[in-house]
Parts: sequence; structure tokens; C-alpha cells
Amino acid sequence: NAGVTQTPKFQVLKTGQSMTLQCAQDMNHNSMYWYRQDPGMGLRLIYYSASEGTTDKGEVPNGYNVSRLNKREFSLRLESAAPSQTSVYFCASWPRHRGNEQFFGPGTRLTVL
Amino acid sequence: ILNVEQSPQSLHVQEGDSTNFTCSFPSSNFYALHWYRWETAKSPEALFVMTLNGDEKKKGRISATLNTKEGYSYLYIKGSQPEDSATYLCAFIDNDMRFGAGTRLTVKP
Repeated sequence: NAGVTQTPKFQVLKTGQSMTLQCAQDMNHNSMYWYRQDPGMGLRLIYYSASEGTTDKGEVPNGYNVSRLNKREFSLRLESAAPSQTSVYFCASWPRHRGNEQFFGPGTRLTVL
Repeated sequence: ILNVEQSPQSLHVQEGDSTNFTCSFPSSNFYALHWYRWETAKSPEALFVMTLNGDEKKKGRISATLNTKEGYSYLYIKGSQPEDSATYLCAFIDNDMRFGAGTRLTVKP
């Protein structure tokens, strides 16, 4: 039982390059989330998927797209990376039951030059 | 309160001190409140899941209370230790999940 996994762990991009961050969970959770961590701002929600087949914008969606490929997988795509997207990205999943917590992946550290 | 607010933003205490910090959230449409502990270079890990007004949860030296009618939760740490140094996040859940910016705690030996 791996929990929430993310790939890659580190990535360096040049401005304008594209890439996809992968996230998978093996806990059969309904909801999945992408956050970015910025100094002094905690976690900010980029996009989420409440259930398989649905995606919604969070607080900071500009410059990103997502795909909920199936119940297990939720990917985040940067079409044209910008230096402002330098951050640590966390994927998380939640069973969407009242008494359960969110589980986080290990994070992807992205630098855009 | 429309957003989730945490105070203070940062806190420095001496080893052995007891401390507490606050999470304020909208008082309508409450579903659950989570507290997470987030160490540098790691992922956030859940401390408490709170669902009922008046809930009190405890894990070792850390405890939390919840008041959904007035929209706040307190996290208490008794006898702080250097290993308690971390950022403590709260997350308010109604239809969405919204995190506060966190309280960064530093415990000096």
C-alpha cells in the first residue's frame, strides 16, 4: 500500500517548456487535489477532482491544466512554464468521508529558469 | 470570515513552554476541520480530524478544541519540545477543502 505517489521528485524547466506532474493513489479515494507551496502562503489549491470524471479550479488555476485519468490518477500539466511557477507541488487524496483526513504525496520540487 | 485564517503566523518558544494557536473559519456550512503537522522538506501529516461542535481531541502533548458556532479551533501544545518545530496547518471543509496559511512554530532548546 504505497499511499499517494508523485513523479518526478525534482524537475528543472526552461521558461516556455511544458511538463506533466503525475500523481497516483491506491487507497480508492474519491477526491484528489493539487496544491502548490509558496513561502509564507501555506498550501494553495490549484485544481481538484471531487470524484472520477470531474475537475474544478481552485484558488490559483492559471497556467495549469489537469486530467483525472481514472480513480487512481490525477495529473497536472504546465503548458508553458513560467518562473512564477517555481514551487513545490503536492498531490493529495481524500475519501470524502467526514471522519477521514487527507493524505499527501511526497511533493515535486519544480524550478523554472 | 470568508477564508480560513490562522494566528499567529509564527511563534518562537523555549523548550518546556506551553503554547496555543488559532484557526478561524466560516461558521456556516461546516462539514469538518482538519489539523496537519508539516515539517520542513516533508509532506503534511494529519493530527486531528474534528467533526462535531465541542470536539476535543488529544494526541500525547498536543490537543485541539472545536467551536463550529463561532468558527474557531485551538491547537494546544503542552511542554513544547524541539521536535515539535513545524508548521501547523488547519483545513476547513464545507463543499471544498480550504487551508489556512499555517502557524510556523520554532521551539528553542
